[in-house]
Amino acid sequence: EIVMTQSPATLSVSPGERATLSCRASQSVSSNLAWYQQKPGQAPRLLIYGASTRATGIPARFSGSGSGTEFTLTISSLQSEDFAVYYCQQYNNWPPGTFGPGTKVEIK
Amino acid sequence: EVQLVQSAAELRKPGESLKISCKGSGHTFNNYWIGWVRQMPGKGLEWMGIIYPDDSDTRYSPSFQGQVTISGDKSIRTAYLQWSSLKASDTAMYYCARSSRYKIRLGAFDIWGQGTMVTVSS
Repeated sequence: EIVMTQSPATLSVSPGERATLSCRASQSVSSNLAWYQQKPGQAPRLLIYGASTRATGIPARFSGSGSGTEFTLTISSLQSEDFAVYYCQQYNNWPPGTFGPGTKVEIK
Repeated sequence: EVQLVQSAAELRKPGESLKISCKGSGHTFNNYWIGWVRQMPGKGLEWMGIIYPDDSDTRYSPSFQGQVTISGDKSIRTAYLQWSSLKASDTAMYYCARSSRYKIRLGAFDIWGQGTMVTVSS
């Protein structure tokens, strides 16, 4: 089973600043990596799939990069609505399509 | 509109059985993998298992194999998650979500249900 790790666990950022979130897989997942955003009391929302393709309706300030075992989600200029928990998920080797433990982006 | 609508919240006692549902609309539900994801209170997302409704091909995470049963009824575009004997540790929010329409490979979960909260308490 592939193990996903995310860092940092919590990221404190001021509105307008750039946020960089990392995700690492225990073995190569090629580009079969997704990023999700979850706000309190809501279901997760797909942001990025295929490591770098934005899902429908996702603003351009969200971008994904990486392949193999190292991935990054960048939010170029944080808006108030972006403070949330972000999860990565691999869907290359399944079952299971493992999720990372999440990174909480909070207001500094 | 493409959506997955889940059944309402449930309160059960330990040892009881339960079946929750996820109904699809607005897309060819039967030809997409439909997954179930657990989120325990204050915790992260856990991939439980997945079903392809058209032929009921089902795959489980080793962590959930034997603990739950995933099934589907393609005639009514509905997937199910069931327990035969609930435990207090099954208390969680359960989400269904749509993945790939290709049987041979999985995709990201692009459409999510609203979640079903299951509370198990004596």
